[in-house]
Amino acid sequence: DAGITQSPRYKITETGRQVTLMCHQTWSHSYMFWYRQDLGHGLRLIYYSAAADITDKGEVPDGYVVSRSKTENFPLTLESATRSQTSVYFCASSTDPAHLSGANVLTFGAGSRLTVL
Amino acid sequence: GDSVTQMEGPVTLSEEAFLTINCTYTATGYPSLFWYVQYPGEGLQLLLKATKADDKGSNKGFEATYRKETTSFHLEKGSVQVSDSAVYFCALSDHSGNTPLVFGKGTRLSVIA
Repeated sequence: DAGITQSPRYKITETGRQVTLMCHQTWSHSYMFWYRQDLGHGLRLIYYSAAADITDKGEVPDGYVVSRSKTENFPLTLESATRSQTSVYFCASSTDPAHLSGANVLTFGAGSRLTVL
Repeated sequence: GDSVTQMEGPVTLSEEAFLTINCTYTATGYPSLFWYVQYPGEGLQLLLKATKADDKGSNKGFEATYRKETTSFHLEKGSVQVSDSAVYFCALSDHSGNTPLVFGKGTRLSVIA
């Protein structure tokens, strides 16, 4: 199916466990992003990637690891989950050079709700 | 750094009421401005955008005008419907291309019949 797919949609885990959230897009968009959404904070950028093998930290990167070996995939790993990482995580993508031209239209996935007990 | 400030919610309106959600920004240069909408249980989607001063973005009866003099991009709709209940995010994009979108904290709108 065309679009941007996140999995799992819902995940419950325990403190200290490793969790990987998957993101797959079918448009060959250059840019991909991970945000977390929390009440009172809105959307905060965790990491982003301008192309395969290029990643950059966002506003709240601590405790997260990303990789981008293929253009279409951008997994987010919590190496040792903490309760403060309970959140809804959104993956997004955008075309290049939309980012540079100012058009910068992001397409979002449906989100992954993570609960850390 | 660049930032976006939008009015605190939640906002509760009756059907057919007039809607305004305020958004102001701080940025160097001339950013592009966006409104995204998040319906319950879904990801965000672009509602409208404006890329230069005095531009008006519009979609689905919503509109917003890029006001450089007041650094604002307020969202308006003349007559809201129950289906407009959602969270609305204002965002800006730095024209330098060096930074990703900056989002406001979101404003939850509830429209009651």
